[in-house]
Amino acid sequence: AQSVSQHNHHVILSEAASLELGCNYSYGGTVNLFWYVQYPGQHLQLLLKYFSGDPLVKGIKGFEAEFIKSKFSFNLRKPSVQWSDTAEYFCAVNEDNAGNMLTFGGGTTLMVKP
Amino acid sequence: EPEVTQTPSHQVTQMGQEVILRCVPISNHLYFYWYRQILGQKVEFLVSFYNNEISEKSEIFDDQFSVERPDGSNFTLKIRSTKLEDSAMYFCATIGTFYNEQFFGPGTRLTVL
Repeated sequence: AQSVSQHNHHVILSEAASLELGCNYSYGGTVNLFWYVQYPGQHLQLLLKYFSGDPLVKGIKGFEAEFIKSKFSFNLRKPSVQWSDTAEYFCAVNEDNAGNMLTFGGGTTLMVKP
Repeated sequence: EPEVTQTPSHQVTQMGQEVILRCVPISNHLYFYWYRQILGQKVEFLVSFYNNEISEKSEIFDDQFSVERPDGSNFTLKIRSTKLEDSAMYFCATIGTFYNEQFFGPGTRLTVL
């Protein structure tokens, strides 16, 4: 079965620091990849997604992610975080021949200190 | 911007009772999903629903669970006889077309006592 790993469970950064959150998945076939964010008290919102094409995808709020197929990775990055980026971040994967069900990673809680 | 809504936001129930969680999808969306997140654990897929039928379901989605779209708008998840381990956040998600992003509702926190 598909599994998704997010190795950083809790990350604390100061404003303006750079961010990279790791995401690795186990499935060897074609996948669609997503990063969702959940701000305190809010619902899951899509940050960015990768289906095909350029492996470097840009999302909302200055976030980007790079799909590296050989490493089964889809790491999320942001060059300079803000206090408002404090949230929980979830990587999710959908196998291309398995309907649209998402398999989620365990989430990373990011706290940005002002 | 259209949103997925869920009611109630918090449900407290006694073990063995039936609960119905409701989701109102975005109006032109056709694919519906339920996920759950037990406190401190991953978000887990429960079931997907399209054209008034279950498309896929996970091992979690046993005979105690059922889904339906009773009136063409609401999408419901019923747990027939709740157990303590059913306590979790339950998220509804919908998409308009296949291979697109899923829009999530705010969740229902279910507490089984």
